[in-house]
Amino acid sequence: DIQMTQSPSTLSASVGDRVTITCRASQSISTWLAWYQQKPGKAPNLLIYEASNLQTGVPSRFSGSGSGTEFTLTISSLQPDDIATYYCQPYNSHSWTFGQGTKVEIK
Amino acid sequence: EVQLVESGGRLVQPGGSLRLSCEYSGFSFRSFEMNWVRLAPGKGLEWVSYIDSRSTTIQYADSVKGRFTISRDNVKNSLYLQMGSLRVEDTAVYYCARESFRGLDNWGQGTLVTVSS
Repeated sequence: DIQMTQSPSTLSASVGDRVTITCRASQSISTWLAWYQQKPGKAPNLLIYEASNLQTGVPSRFSGSGSGTEFTLTISSLQPDDIATYYCQPYNSHSWTFGQGTKVEIK
Repeated sequence: EVQLVESGGRLVQPGGSLRLSCEYSGFSFRSFEMNWVRLAPGKGLEWVSYIDSRSTTIQYADSVKGRFTISRDNVKNSLYLQMGSLRVEDTAVYYCARESFRGLDNWGQGTLVTVSS
């Protein structure tokens, strides 16, 4: 099974800050990685697919990069609506284990 | 519009059984792979199970292997999760999610399973 190591577990930043979350896979998954946002009491929402493709309707301040084993999710200018927990997940590789999650808070 | 609606969650005693359902609308259900994912209190998302479009490939997380069974009915546009030998640590909100080339691109609203005596 592919293991995903996500960091940091918690992130506190100010409105307008650039925020970066990292995800590392235990073996190469090419670009078969997705990022999800989950707000309290809500279902997860797909943000990024195939490592760097923005899902329809997601604000352009979100971006993803990486391939192989190293991936990042970047929020270019943090907004109050971005308060949530973010998860990475491999797919299309018969391994679906989520990263541990990163809780993003406003400082 | 794609819509996924889970049902079946409730309070159940340890060792008990429960069947969750997920009904689809708004897309060709039989064309997509499906997953169950759960969120336990104070924990992160945990992938539970996967089934391909024809039920030929099925996968489970180690934590539920041998206790849970995923299935689907492409005529009734429904996905199921039969849960047995339930444990306190199975307490969670359970989501069904559609898988495409984009990952898990559509999710239901979730159904709460509480395992407690």
